[in-house]
Amino acid sequence: NAGVTQTPKFQVLKTGQSMTLQCAQDMNHEYMSWYRQDPGMGLRLIHYSVGAGITDQGEVPNGYNVSRSTTEDFPLRLLSAAPSQTSVYFCASSPNPGTGVGEQYFGPGTRLTVT
Amino acid sequence: DQQVKQNSPSLSVQEGRISILNCDYTNSMFDYFLWYKKYPAEGPTFLISISSIKDKNEDGRFTVFLNKSAKHLSLHIVPSQPGDSAVYFCAASSLYGNKLVFGAGTILRVKS
Repeated sequence: NAGVTQTPKFQVLKTGQSMTLQCAQDMNHEYMSWYRQDPGMGLRLIHYSVGAGITDQGEVPNGYNVSRSTTEDFPLRLLSAAPSQTSVYFCASSPNPGTGVGEQYFGPGTRLTVT
Repeated sequence: DQQVKQNSPSLSVQEGRISILNCDYTNSMFDYFLWYKKYPAEGPTFLISISSIKDKNEDGRFTVFLNKSAKHLSLHIVPSQPGDSAVYFCAASSLYGNKLVFGAGTILRVKS
């Protein structure tokens, strides 16, 4: 099993550009989530999904869109990048929606810089 | 308003001694707590968890203690090893919830 994979590893965008961060898992987990990590702030939840076709907002959803058409994939879209979105982005998955998020498996992260 | 607080940004410990990492929370609805460990350029990995029906959970060298009345939990690592040097995140959720709230993290350095 590859676990949770994320692409790309690094990305530089100009203000106003759009892009999609890819996330895939091969563990048949129902729950998937996106976090951003900023210095001194830990990880903050952007969006999450408890199964294909179901998504919901986390703590910091503005400026980001998600969709979940399959169990395996959970892409994160930046519609119009801003310097405030410079961060490290982590995707995670868990087998346990609805009974507590529990133990999550994280991908290696995408480091995004917006100039 | 930070609902999960790790007030020590860093901690330095000698190899073989005990490491104690602390975490405080403010939301009374939280009843499930987790610790994650993160190495540079990698994603966090799950370490240990505890639900509010317990006050202690052990897994090898790692023990988590929960004091519900004080809204405080701690992670004890005994004995500490150089490979334990990493960032440790405390996280909390409600047992049947779908959102994890993380603390800012504590950098642990174990000196050999």
